[in-house]
Amino acid sequence: ETGVTQTPRHLVMGMTNKKSLKCEQHLGHNAMYWYKQSAKKPLELMFVYNFKEQTENNSVPSRFSPECPNSSHLFLHLHTLQPEDSALYLCASSQGIGGFYGNTIYFGEGSWLTVV
Amino acid sequence: KNEVEQSPQNLTAQEGEFITINCSYSVGISALHWLQQHPGGGIVSLFMLSSGKKKHGRLIATINIQEKHSSLHITASHPRDSAVYICAVGDQGGSEKLVFGKGTKLTVNP
Repeated sequence: ETGVTQTPRHLVMGMTNKKSLKCEQHLGHNAMYWYKQSAKKPLELMFVYNFKEQTENNSVPSRFSPECPNSSHLFLHLHTLQPEDSALYLCASSQGIGGFYGNTIYFGEGSWLTVV
Repeated sequence: KNEVEQSPQNLTAQEGEFITINCSYSVGISALHWLQQHPGGGIVSLFMLSSGKKKHGRLIATINIQEKHSSLHITASHPRDSAVYICAVGDQGGSEKLVFGKGTKLTVNP
């Protein structure tokens, strides 16, 4: 139990569906992140939020839409995805940002997404 | 952009063996992280270090800043250590963008 909870753990969706991934952290952290992990590829940063404000969008297609209503919750809204978007989506949090220097990263268990 | 290389990609060991996983990077960093990812997908942060050596239980992480190299050691390995171990580095500019290695898959057989 890392203090970062992701739901759902598994999601299968069609290319025309709209779904959302949810992340909640109980650690009092200020920064939250979405990462994507595709098969046999390194983790890729998607979005960074610091105090609810988006500070990083790593050239992510608009079919992925993040939302951060408060420092404890982070959503990833999914719309008209492609099969190549099938991957493990990981949420993470840390006390501060800035290269994570001095800040340990806490990851959630991940949400396995399959787009059919 | 920093490039992170891990070796080996796959490692199989017998229970009790001493394990070493290596990580090298190409440009200066602010900190280096070792992460453990279990088959279910969840990732746990093991160490964050910017110099020297850290120890936690049977795990030891070392870093050589001059050589741009870090090692993760596991003493008296156990089947529950089976996981993917990932090295990640943060750049000196303070960006949130960690650069990740591809991971080392460790299997410890009983």
